Amino acid sequence: QSALTQPASVSGSPGQSITISCTGTSTDIGGYNYVSWYQHHPGKAPKLIIYEVSYRPSGVSNRFSGSKSGNTASLIISGLQAEDEADYSCSSYTGSSTVIFGGGTKVTVL
Amino acid sequence: QLQLQESGPGLVKPSETLSLTCTVTGGSISNSGFYWGWIRQPPGKGLEWTGTIYFSGTTYYNPSLKSRVTMSVDTSKNQFSLKVTSVTAADTAVYYCARLPYWDRSGRPRRNLHFDYWGQGVSVTVSS
Repeated sequence: QSALTQPASVSGSPGQSITISCTGTSTDIGGYNYVSWYQHHPGKAPKLIIYEVSYRPSGVSNRFSGSKSGNTASLIISGLQAEDEADYSCSSYTGSSTVIFGGGTKVTVL
Repeated sequence: QLQLQESGPGLVKPSETLSLTCTVTGGSISNSGFYWGWIRQPPGKGLEWTGTIYFSGTTYYNPSLKSRVTMSVDTSKNQFSLKVTSVTAADTAVYYCARLPYWDRSGRPRRNLHFDYWGQGVSVTVSS
């Protein structure tokens, strides 16, 4: 099963909003509301920031939001801050009860 | 505070078996509300789900690795483990262990929903 498709990099200035897309198929993103997003600073444990498309775990900033339309999910980071510079990966539950990830997106704060 | 810590050799020879252990502290691996999983990230590539295990020992593996992967759980030590046989350079990666919830927000049981706590990862290189 192919990985979900994410842009390799996205950049923005402090205070701006950016959107990271994650494209799959009808057997993963399009078929289920089980998309999650992870923030990963190098050398640290990845952190869950969005689950079930649009829900934030306790303690995650409300500057992070998620949505889905058809086979594409999106992570929006508003009020971009220097600490948001990290890698972001999406994942989705699939019809065969497995999970697949995207290739990851590097966010740069200019 | 739940913590997960991976451990194991950082260097494995080709054709040998890679063995890693994840030690869970701050929570019980026997909690029926969670699964436990392994994810890996090869250098320069995205994350790849390796497998998931329940405290009962029930396992679910990535079909692309299924023939070479075995996961097990030791509830007495609050640990779970991963073995990958016949390794090649393609198995070189940072390996992470993580926890997965058993139920979705609507209370439906689902495997492989998402990974809510992760370890920091252990780097494994396959080389002679």
